[in-house]
Amino acid sequence: AQSVSQHNHHVILSEAASLELGCNYSYGGTVNLFWYVQYPGQHLQLLLKYFSGDPLVKGIKGFEAEFIKSKFSFNLRKPSVQWSDTAEYFCAVNEGTGNQFYFGTGTSLTVIP
Amino acid sequence: GAVVSQHPSRVICKSGTSVKIECRSLDFQATTMFWYRQFPKKSLMLMATSNEGSKATYEQGVEKDKFLINHASLTLSTLTVTSAHPEDSSFYICSANSLEAESSYNEQFFGPGTRLTVL
Repeated sequence: AQSVSQHNHHVILSEAASLELGCNYSYGGTVNLFWYVQYPGQHLQLLLKYFSGDPLVKGIKGFEAEFIKSKFSFNLRKPSVQWSDTAEYFCAVNEGTGNQFYFGTGTSLTVIP
Repeated sequence: GAVVSQHPSRVICKSGTSVKIECRSLDFQATTMFWYRQFPKKSLMLMATSNEGSKATYEQGVEKDKFLINHASLTLSTLTVTSAHPEDSSFYICSANSLEAESSYNEQFFGPGTRLTVL
C-alpha cells in the first residue's frame, strides 16, 4: 500500500520567513500529487496539484511545490509566509488513474505576526 | 471549483442511537464519493469508497454494518453511523470526484466535514 510521509508535524515561523514542508511517498509508479490546506474551522482546500509536465508547480496564495521523482518527494514551499497561512497542510498521493487518495499525517503551521 | 456540502455540520447524539450524515455534490455529478475520518492531530483515514448504484467498498478494519453507506444518486451519498458509541466521536469528511474530471485526471473535492460527538 502507498504511504505518504510528512516529517514536519508542527512548524512555527515568523511572518516573512520562508517555508518548506516535506512530503515523501512510497509508490514507484505513476502518481498524481496534491497539497491541501485546512484553515481553522474550514474544510480542505486544494493548494496545488501535479499530474505531469513541469515538475515545479505553482498554486494559489504564492505556494509552489517541486516534484522530484528520484527522491519520491513533493515538497511545498513559500518564500514569505503570512499570518493568514496558519493552517494544517496535507500532502496527498493518488496512484495513476486510480480513485483512492493517500494522505500524509499533516503539518500544522503557525505563523507568528 | 466544484462544491461539496455536508449536513449536518455538527451533531451530538446519545450512545446507542444512529446518526445519518449527508454528502452532496452541488454543481457536478459524482459517480464516486469517499468517506474519511479525521482524528485529532492525525491524517484523514479513508473509510470507504461509495459508488453510485452499487455497494460501497470498505477499507480494512472498517465495520460495514456499523458505517452504512448509500449512494443513491449522482449527487448524494449518506453515511449512517449505527448504534453509535463514544469512540465513534470524530470528524467525518466526504469527498467526491467530478464526473467531468474523471475523463482526464482525478481530483477530489472535499466537504466541510461533520463533527460527531457521542455522549
